[in-house]
Amino acid sequence: DAKTTQPPSMDCAEGRAANLPCNHSTISGNEYVYWYRQIHSQGPQYIIHGLKNNETNEMASLIITEDRKSSTLILPHATLRDTAVYYCISGGYQKVTFGIGTKLQVIP
Amino acid sequence: NAGVTQTPKFRILKIGQSMTLQCTQDMNHNYMYWYRQDPGMGLKLIYYSVGAGITDKGEVPNGYNVSRSTTEDFPLRLELAAPSQTSVYFCASSPNRGPFSGANVLTFGAGSRLTVL
Repeated sequence: DAKTTQPPSMDCAEGRAANLPCNHSTISGNEYVYWYRQIHSQGPQYIIHGLKNNETNEMASLIITEDRKSSTLILPHATLRDTAVYYCISGGYQKVTFGIGTKLQVIP
Repeated sequence: NAGVTQTPKFRILKIGQSMTLQCTQDMNHNYMYWYRQDPGMGLKLIYYSVGAGITDKGEVPNGYNVSRSTTEDFPLRLELAAPSQTSVYFCASSPNRGPFSGANVLTFGAGSRLTVL
């Protein structure tokens, strides 16, 4: 699996958009980008994934650069319940490994 | 669908004891995974399985054993518990169809918190 790099922590004001970046410069052409989040000590929860095109679902949007070397997860209107650790993964077949993720703190 | 079910949720072991963490999924997923998460850290892959009868080591396999006799079950065995194995353990499954057949989204269980004293 391709290695990813994320900032260890970020703050976001409640109601504002949270933009979480991820670098995956070694991603291969057929490898997807996935985002998961982990609230407190619960099991990680899938958010969204993408290959080349930008994606949107009810939880978030995923913007992937044209060269596919980086992506941004966007939570359009962050709430206090979005405070969590967010993990970006690229590849994700066979040995699916997680980094330390980005700890997002949503501030009232 | 129950998804991925892990038991027990909590367990305290004495050093040297053995135990098995159970994991069951009802989604007919072929891939299953075991992770451990130490306080304040990310998830580390212990073992994974690509189907019944096939398992492989992850990043931190020492001190653990697994088996996969059925599609549904993927138990994780600790033979001689050590304090270093105090952690939260997560099981996950996915309908992995390979790198050229679409995305591989993991579904996680709620976790099993293990303390070794």
